[in-house]
Formats: sequence, structure tokens, C-alpha cells
Amino acid sequence: KQEVTQIPAALSVPEGENLVLNCSFTDSAIYNLQWFRQDPGKGLTSLLLIQSSQREQTSGRLNASLDKSSGRSTLYIAASQPGDSATYLCAPGDSGNTPLVFGKGTRLSVIA
Amino acid sequence: DAGVTQSPTHLIKTRGQQVTLRCSPKSGHDTVSWYQQALGQGPQFIFQYYEEEERQRGNFPDRFSGHQFPNYSSELNVNALLLGDSALYLCASSLVQLYGYTFGSGTRLTVV
Repeated sequence: KQEVTQIPAALSVPEGENLVLNCSFTDSAIYNLQWFRQDPGKGLTSLLLIQSSQREQTSGRLNASLDKSSGRSTLYIAASQPGDSATYLCAPGDSGNTPLVFGKGTRLSVIA
Repeated sequence: DAGVTQSPTHLIKTRGQQVTLRCSPKSGHDTVSWYQQALGQGPQFIFQYYEEEERQRGNFPDRFSGHQFPNYSSELNVNALLLGDSALYLCASSLVQLYGYTFGSGTRLTVV
């Protein structure tokens, strides 16, 4: 059974700082891994999808890496902005349409 | 291209009542999954529908049931509501896991 842990649980940084969010998962036999952003009381917005054959994906100031063999993924946010404040969730996916498994996420606050 | 649409946005029900939540998947997607997210927790998988049949189910009681229609839209029904059913209910659609999941904005259910 897949289990997901995200560290830290909460993070507060000043604007402009570069930061790293960590995600670990117990079953390394994954097909891909998806990073999501969630604003309070809202739905999930997909940020990046990394296939198991890839080692990283980039979108703007975001870069996600995947080390499948060690069961780890990181989300790097460059030059953080107050608008980046949200909860960030990672979800490894198995082959086919198996359901996503989530951890509790990392709650990020970027202070102006 | 419309994303995932959920209705209603908010709902207040009394204990013991029944509720129906609705979801229209992203255009081109044929699989719908439902998740429950309690405050401060990650989303928990309820069930998934494909070709109008429940394909997978998480650890939720039979009070939770669903349906998928020929146009791929879906409903989540919860009977005999309990206070503990208060949560954000998220719908996600997908085509094949290769392309990841797209989530809706959620329905906030409050049981009083």
C-alpha cells in the first residue's frame, strides 16, 4: 500500500527566497508523479507531471525532480512570491487509472 | 477547453439527510474519481467510475454511492449523513494515467 510523506508540514519564507519541498513514497513501482497546488478551501491545480522515465520537469519558476528508485521527489520554487502561498501536494500514480494517494501536503507561506 | 466542473459549490445538510454532488469531467476525459478531503488532511479516495461502472473503491461505507452517465458526467450520493461527512468533496477526471488527473474546484459539504 502506497504511503506518501511530505516534509516540512509547514514552511514560512521571505519573498524572493528559493525553496525546496520534499515528497517521499513507499512503493517505488510508480508510473508517474504529479505535484498539485491547493489554495484554502479550493480544488487542486496541477503544477507538474513527471513520468517515471523522466528525472525532472520544469514550468516557469517551478522544477520538480523524481528519483523513483529511492522513492523521492522534490519541488523547487525559485524566487518565491506571496502569490505562491498555498498547500502543495504530491501524488505518485501507478499504471492505468489507479487512484492517486496523497500525503498531508506542505503549507507554504511567502511573506512580503 | 472547460476543465472539471462541480456543483454545487457549497451545501449545508442536516444529519440523517441524503445529498447528491455532481461532476462534469474535462472534455475528452472518460474516467471520474471522487475524493473526500477533511480539514488539514490530504484527499482520500472514495471511488472511481469508468464506462458507467464503479471500477475501484476506497475504504468508505456503502452510504457512499455513485453513478456515471453515458456523457461521462458523474454523481456522488451520500445517505444518512453524519457530522463526520463534513468535508470538501473533490472530483477528478482523467483519460489514461499517462496524462495525469484534472481536479475540479470541489463541493464544500457541511452537516449540522
